[in-house]
Amino acid sequence: DAKTTQPPSMDCAEGRAANLPCNHSTISGNEYVYWYRQIHSQGPQYIIHGLKNNETNEMASLIITEDRKSSTLILPHATLRDTAVYYCIVLEGKLIFGQGTELSVKP
Amino acid sequence: DTGVSQDPRHKITKRGQNVTFRCDPISEHNRLYWYRQTLGQGPEFLTYFQNEAQLEKSRLLSDRFSAERPKGSFSTLEIQRTEQGDSAMYLCASSLGYRGRFGYGYTFGSGTRLTVV
Repeated sequence: DAKTTQPPSMDCAEGRAANLPCNHSTISGNEYVYWYRQIHSQGPQYIIHGLKNNETNEMASLIITEDRKSSTLILPHATLRDTAVYYCIVLEGKLIFGQGTELSVKP
Repeated sequence: DTGVSQDPRHKITKRGQNVTFRCDPISEHNRLYWYRQTLGQGPEFLTYFQNEAQLEKSRLLSDRFSAERPKGSFSTLEIQRTEQGDSAMYLCASSLGYRGRFGYGYTFGSGTRLTVV
C-alpha cells in the first residue's frame, strides 16, 4: 500500500500558484519523496523529488517539513495544461502509487 | 533514444484470447517495471526486472500473466486466456540502478490500452 495520503481533488485559477499537499507520516529517514503527474491517457511524468531539503526545478518546487511527515508541491503559475492527476510517492525500492490529487486549472 | 516505447498503443481482443505487449526501455536503464491502471485508479505495480532477472512479482500477477526480459533490453508481458477484468492500461517504466540527478530516473511509456470484449 502507498505510504502517502492526498486530497482527491483541487481547483486552481489559471496564473495562480497551485499548492498540492501530501502526508507521509510513516516515512523512514532515508526514503525520498517523489512527485509525478499523469495527464489523461498518458504515462506518469516525473516532476521533482527530495529527501529533506526544499527543491526547485523548472517545473515546480517541493517543500518538505522539517519532521518530513508532509510535503507540498508548488506549481508557481498554473496553466490549463497543468490539469492532471498528481501523485506523491514515497520510494520503496519501486514506485507505489496512491490515488493522487486531481488538479483542475480553470480559466 | 527518446524514452520508453510501448507497442501496441491499443489492443482489442476477444475474451479467451492471448495477448502480448512489448516495452522498449531507455537503453542505459537496467531496471524495467510493469504496472496496470484501471479507470480512476493509480497505477498498480505488477513486476520488475533488473537486467534479465525478474526480481519481484505482485500478487496481482496471476498465473495467466507472464513477463520476460530475455536479453536485459526489451520486455514482453503476455496475458493468456484474457478476461474482461483484464481490461486496463498496461504501463511500462524503466529506471537506473542508482540515484542520479533526477533520482532513479523512473520514466514511463505511454501505455498499452487493452479492451477485452
